Amino acid sequence: KAGVTQTPRYLIKTRGQQVTLSCSPISGHRSVSWYQQTPGQGLQFLFEYFSETQRNKGNFPGRFSGRQFSNSRSEMNVSTLELGDSALYLCASSGDRGEGGYTFGSGTRLTVV
Amino acid sequence: QKEVEQNSGPLSVPEGAIASLNCTYSDRGSQSFFWYRQYSGKSPELIMFIYSNGDKEDGRFTAQLNKASQYVSLLIRDSQPSDSATYLCAVNIPGNQFYFGTGTSLTVIP
Repeated sequence: KAGVTQTPRYLIKTRGQQVTLSCSPISGHRSVSWYQQTPGQGLQFLFEYFSETQRNKGNFPGRFSGRQFSNSRSEMNVSTLELGDSALYLCASSGDRGEGGYTFGSGTRLTVV
Repeated sequence: QKEVEQNSGPLSVPEGAIASLNCTYSDRGSQSFFWYRQYSGKSPELIMFIYSNGDKEDGRFTAQLNKASQYVSLLIRDSQPSDSATYLCAVNIPGNQFYFGTGTSLTVIP
């Protein structure tokens, strides 16, 4: 059974640019969540998508957005990048009610210069 | 008050000892509880989950849940240097909202 696939693994962007990250969940998982992880803040919840709808949202500015497609694949977009957006972005998928917990992807390491 | 609190450590134990990691949570509606292990530079990996009060054992790992005290713990018996990692506690509340603690850094000294 394939795991959660995130692309790309690494990105370097310039301040002010925008970026799109992609996540393919485990087959059969309809819930996809996104997290930002930085050394000082730990795992910060961005949002969760379920059946193409945003079901939960964290406390991030509107520059952070996402969407989910009918095949459950999800994308996350960050516009007008800031230096502080440099982080590991993790995608996780789970069963409909979180049964069995999350399975995380390998993450996308974003560096903003 | 944070939803999930963990002692950030670092926690150091000698090889072969028992490592005890603790976590408290604030939402009494929390239904399921998870322990993740994260090696430096890697993504979190699920190692245990528990839904009911009491103990759940899996190999060298034992998860303990006390809903009345809102307390979850993870015991690692016969600790090995390969267990050195950050351990994240997570809880799931209705609506599939997961809350993570900030993690406890564990070092097992050979």
